[in-house]
Amino acid sequence: DTAVSQTPKYLVTQMGNDKSIKCEQNLGHDTMYWYKQDSKKFLKIMFSYNNKELIINETVPNRFSPKSPDKAHLNLHINSLELGDSAVYFCASSVGQTYGYTFGSGTRLTVV
Amino acid sequence: GDSVTQMEGPVTLSEEAFLTINCTYTATGYPSLFWYVQYPGEGLQLLLKATKADDKGSNKGFEATYRKETTSFHLEKGSVQVSDSAVYFCALTFQGGNYQLIWGAGTKLIIKP
Repeated sequence: DTAVSQTPKYLVTQMGNDKSIKCEQNLGHDTMYWYKQDSKKFLKIMFSYNNKELIINETVPNRFSPKSPDKAHLNLHINSLELGDSAVYFCASSVGQTYGYTFGSGTRLTVV
Repeated sequence: GDSVTQMEGPVTLSEEAFLTINCTYTATGYPSLFWYVQYPGEGLQLLLKATKADDKGSNKGFEATYRKETTSFHLEKGSVQVSDSAVYFCALTFQGGNYQLIWGAGTKLIIKP
């Protein structure tokens, strides 16, 4: 039973399209995150929700919009995709701050 | 501001060699420290952690000791295997903050048979 699951695993799409990535966790964690990992493996926090409340909203283009329908789900919608959006997007969840995060396996987004 | 600095990779070693990956941090308080590992094509996994000075985290033969005096959390393993080839990330967080982890840039480790 996957703890943090993301779909889809791979996403290839054309510039200008709108796409969504879904994330679900079955760990009962209160906090969920979206990260972007670039080709050099650098990790950048994008958003974080705690019990459906947005607590981290880093400087990302407003074409990116998170949605948390309940504390087990955090989806990422991206409008008007650009070439520079190509990356691996990771969802993660945590309980408290000293137990670490549990990551999903990632969604590789390729914009052509 | 708070930050984490890791040694640049890639680090290339032969199987059974001793491994050290350096990690130092800058922090205004007393953070918790973590090492994560990312195997090729996978998400990150928590490898080990330490929450206070002089704590030693250990897992799968890896160890790291929280050194407050040198603000370091170096990752070590006595004898590496080909299966340890991965990218290793050092990170810190604070109690009472906004749950955000501050990440190092990652160090790619390549183990040759």
